[in-house]
Amino acid sequence: NAGVTQTPKFQVLKTGQSMTLQCAQDMNHEYMSWYRQDPGMGLRLIHYSVGAGITDQGEVPNGYNVSRSTTEDFPLRLLSAAPSQTSVYFCASSTSFATAPGAFGSGTRLTVV
Amino acid sequence: QKEVEQDPGPLSVPEGAIVSLNCTYSNSAFQYFMWYRQYSRKGPELLMYTYSSGNKEDGRFTAQVDKSSKYISLFIRDSQPSDSATYLCAMSDVQGAQKLVFGQGTRLTINP
Repeated sequence: NAGVTQTPKFQVLKTGQSMTLQCAQDMNHEYMSWYRQDPGMGLRLIHYSVGAGITDQGEVPNGYNVSRSTTEDFPLRLLSAAPSQTSVYFCASSTSFATAPGAFGSGTRLTVV
Repeated sequence: QKEVEQDPGPLSVPEGAIVSLNCTYSNSAFQYFMWYRQYSRKGPELLMYTYSSGNKEDGRFTAQVDKSSKYISLFIRDSQPSDSATYLCAMSDVQGAQKLVFGQGTRLTINP
């Protein structure tokens, strides 16, 4: 049972490049979400999904796109990377509306130069 | 002003001490309250989850929620060096436990 798997673990991008951060879970969780963690800021919600085909914006969605074509996968796309998107990105999943995300991935450390 | 305020520390205590970690918040609509533990370079892991007010105990950990004061606490009894980590409070409103608002995190070190 792998839980929540994020790839890659590390990435360096140049300003203006695009990339996709991958997130997969094997627990059949309906709810998945993406957070970014910056020093002194805690984690902030970027986008979340309540099931396949359904996504919504969080606190800091600008510059990011998501889609949810399957229950297992929830990729996060950076359209045109900016230095302000340098951060650690975490994907999380949970079973239901009222269940706190208990499973987080190990994170993707992204640096935009 | 941030919706959730948490003293970032760092906090350093001797092994066996009782640790108290706290968060205050401003949004009275918050209904779901969580505490996460995060080890260095790892993802957060859920420690405690409380809906609405009251206390919840799990082993050495006790979570308290005081909605009238907009204040939540996490107590760790008989602290161990393995408890050294960053502790994050998180909360969400009636829209469900998916749209979490996190505190900044408190870095805790337990000294042997």
